[in-house]
Amino acid sequence: QSVLTQPPSVSGAPGQSVTISCSGGSSNIGTDYDVNWYQQLPGTVPKLLIHANTRPSGVPDRFSASRSGTSASLAILGLRPEDEADYYCQSYDYNLIGSVVFGGGTKLTVL
Amino acid sequence: EVQIVQSGAEVRKPGTTVKISCKLSGFTFIDYYIHWVRQAPGKGLDWVGLVDPEDGQAKYPQQWRDRVTITADTSEETVYMELTSLTSQDTAVYYCAVIHRALVSWGQGTMVIVS
Repeated sequence: QSVLTQPPSVSGAPGQSVTISCSGGSSNIGTDYDVNWYQQLPGTVPKLLIHANTRPSGVPDRFSASRSGTSASLAILGLRPEDEADYYCQSYDYNLIGSVVFGGGTKLTVL
Repeated sequence: EVQIVQSGAEVRKPGTTVKISCKLSGFTFIDYYIHWVRQAPGKGLDWVGLVDPEDGQAKYPQQWRDRVTITADTSEETVYMELTSLTSQDTAVYYCAVIHRALVSWGQGTMVIVS
């Protein structure tokens, strides 16, 4: 059981947009800790996609993130076949200072 | 640039212990917590614990506290994770990572097979 809750799967056709939600609580996302988003392609190491609503160099601006209260979300505009991957949200939790908490992951299928 | 190189795959029998390592470079070793994250086949990411290389203090979530020990060797800039009483459920890829604000870097992962 993951600390953060994500939908197990989302899907969309090429060119469409999807949003992946990440629900936490008052001890993690709700405390204003950073929320990171990772993309994991099959057989690869998770790649940082978004840090605290900003994209590292090289990440397309089709990816964006937002947060409100105890939840966060990742939006992907103009879906492309290569976006098909697993996506994870990650934050921190003040119940154990320094600890990292993850969402259970969302499988994005590009139809 | 942060670089993390993990030790190679391990195969263990149930009930035994495994100890894997990660060598870190490209940053001041004592400046950041070092985390271990597990990913079982077809499953999500599970935080195993962290070590503060500055003082050697480790922290673990409740479900791991009885079986995992994370240590840091500052002279070698290497972090170790030891997992005891292995079962088939521990078959997974174990990642070593720096996760600190915008500084995020993961090792290549170490496959541990318990069979």
